[in-house]
Amino acid sequence: GAVVSQHPSWVICKSGTSVKIECRSLDFQATTMFWYRQFPKQSLMLMATSNEGSKATYEQGVEKDKFLINHASLTLSTLTVTSAHPEDSSFYICSARTGPGLAGLGAFYEQYFGPGTRLTVT
Amino acid sequence: AQTVTQSQPEMSVQEAETVTLSCTYDTSENNYYLFWYKQPPSRQMILVIRQEAYKQQNATENRFSVNFQKAAKSFSLKISDSQLGDTAMYFCAFMKYNTDKLIFGTGTRLQVFP
Repeated sequence: GAVVSQHPSWVICKSGTSVKIECRSLDFQATTMFWYRQFPKQSLMLMATSNEGSKATYEQGVEKDKFLINHASLTLSTLTVTSAHPEDSSFYICSARTGPGLAGLGAFYEQYFGPGTRLTVT
Repeated sequence: AQTVTQSQPEMSVQEAETVTLSCTYDTSENNYYLFWYKQPPSRQMILVIRQEAYKQQNATENRFSVNFQKAAKSFSLKISDSQLGDTAMYFCAFMKYNTDKLIFGTGTRLQVFP
């Protein structure tokens, strides 16, 4: 159980075009989904958090107009990289969790990660 | 702001041996979670083990155990009876209560040799 998929697994696009990455929770309803970015040989950095039906919350320094996030249903979130440039090339990972609220004392909702999408902008 | 530091970029261990990965963190929070995640070559992150800060007892999951030293802000992972399938990047991560934000360290690449 608790499987998260991403599509595509690898995408190459030309500079200036937009690309959409899908994140799906296959066997559970995800109240919250997360998008991370991972540069080669580096850590994961949270880009944004999205709740179904609400606007995404972006981390400081992440351009919301460039990285459009839509969480239209409890099983699907999409990340659209608009007007992509070579510096946007990276590995993008989503995660999803269930649970009615935030983790606290005795209440923990695991984040399940997708396999990632490698974006190469030429 | 919270930070997570993994000072060992790479480690290696022979199959069946024991290895310990180090992690330190900095926070002014009292209530939080700590995690170790595994990222194998397939790149899919897998939760290995978690620890709640209020619990003094160290968490264990089969061959994986942690040494949680709250005062020292240290959280090391011990892998016993290492297996070839343990070869992966291992990330230490922090999350304070009432947030969803995972803060990751820079990772330790573990290679298990036959």
